[in-house]
Amino acid sequence: KAGVTQTPRYLIKTRGQQVTLSCSPISGHRSVSWYQQTPGQGLQFLFEYFSETQRNKGNFPGRFSGRQFSNSRSEMNVSTLELGDSALYLCASSPRGIDEQFFGPGTRLTVL
Amino acid sequence: GENVEQHPSTLSVQEGDSAVIKCTYSDSASNYFPWYKQELGKRPQLIIDIRSNVGEKKDQRIAVTLNKTAKHFSLHITETQPEDSAVYFCASRGVNTDKLIFGTGTRLQVFP
Repeated sequence: KAGVTQTPRYLIKTRGQQVTLSCSPISGHRSVSWYQQTPGQGLQFLFEYFSETQRNKGNFPGRFSGRQFSNSRSEMNVSTLELGDSALYLCASSPRGIDEQFFGPGTRLTVL
Repeated sequence: GENVEQHPSTLSVQEGDSAVIKCTYSDSASNYFPWYKQELGKRPQLIIDIRSNVGEKKDQRIAVTLNKTAKHFSLHITETQPEDSAVYFCASRGVNTDKLIFGTGTRLQVFP
């Protein structure tokens, strides 16, 4: 099976702009989770989607949102970008839930 | 809120030696404890996991132990090799929150 894919791999944006990241899970996986990875904070949970419904949410401001489509592909949107949003954004898919997550390669977002 | 502390943040060992990384979790209802390995520029990959009804689990040179009373779990790597060099993340999942909380990572360097 093909692994988790994420597009784009790299993004450069300026403060105030918005961005949309995309994640395609492993075929058959219905759960998609998103994480923010920064050098100081490690991996921080953003949210999880299962069957098009947000099932869980981390402690991030409302500028961070997401959605999942009927084919399990997921998108994450960040509005009104801030410098502190610069990070590697990882998505992970799983057959059922949080267990045994398979990560994508990530999208490196740089906010100038 | 839930928290996972991971120590040490960096660990250097000689090839062939053992390495131990320890994590402490705060949510006593946590029941799932995975360990991920992230090589430089790569995605995190699950290397071993343990559930709360098991005290120890082994897979070749790696093992994980869980002490539910003390709320800590550890990763043990024996006969380390240069290819073990990576950042290792522990995580825990709470039954009530159903999301993965990650430690801040341990950078392991194995010198030949």
